[in-house]
Amino acid sequence: EAGVTQFPSHSVIEKGQTVTLRCDPISGHDNLYWYRRVMGKEIKFLLHFVKESKQDESGMPNNRFLAERTGGTYSTLKVQPAELEDSGVYFCASSQDYGTSQFFGPGTRLTVL
Amino acid sequence: QKEVEQDPGPLSVPEGAIVSLNCTYSNSAFQYFMWYRQYSRKGPELLMYTYSSGNKEDGRFTAQVDKSSKYISLFIRDSQPSDSATYLCAMSGRGAGSYQLTFGKGTKLSVIP
Repeated sequence: EAGVTQFPSHSVIEKGQTVTLRCDPISGHDNLYWYRRVMGKEIKFLLHFVKESKQDESGMPNNRFLAERTGGTYSTLKVQPAELEDSGVYFCASSQDYGTSQFFGPGTRLTVL
Repeated sequence: QKEVEQDPGPLSVPEGAIVSLNCTYSNSAFQYFMWYRQYSRKGPELLMYTYSSGNKEDGRFTAQVDKSSKYISLFIRDSQPSDSATYLCAMSGRGAGSYQLTFGKGTKLSVIP
């Protein structure tokens, strides 16, 4: 069974540009989560999808971040326009049901110059 | 006060030693407790998953949860060089906001041959 995949693995952009991150969850997992780790800090929750619906987006830092999950399969996270403080590693995770194990992807390392 | 406190280490032990890792937390709504292992430049890998208080054993790994003390532990017996990684505790609970995971900062472990 394929795990959670993320693309790209690394992205370097300039301040003010737009970047779109993609996550493909484990097949059959309705729950999809985005997390972020900035330098020196712990991994922090961004948002949670159940199928195509946003269940909880309380961790989204501001309206420069837009997450979508059309059709309830893969998800994208767009940052527009990117700021220096958006640099970090963005992780995606998926789980089959509420309260069950979350499996993480390898992450996308975003560097904003 | 952070919701989850974890000593970042680094922790260095000789091969074969018993390793004890732990986290404390402040939110009594947490019900699900996890330990993840993360190798450098990789995503977190789920090691142990525990619901509520008690012990759980899986091979060389034992997870303990003491909800009365708000304290969780991970023990690694007969540690191996391949156990060298960062260990992250994580927890969640319905009252804490959906099933988003709240992480500790991670403890970096080195097992010396």
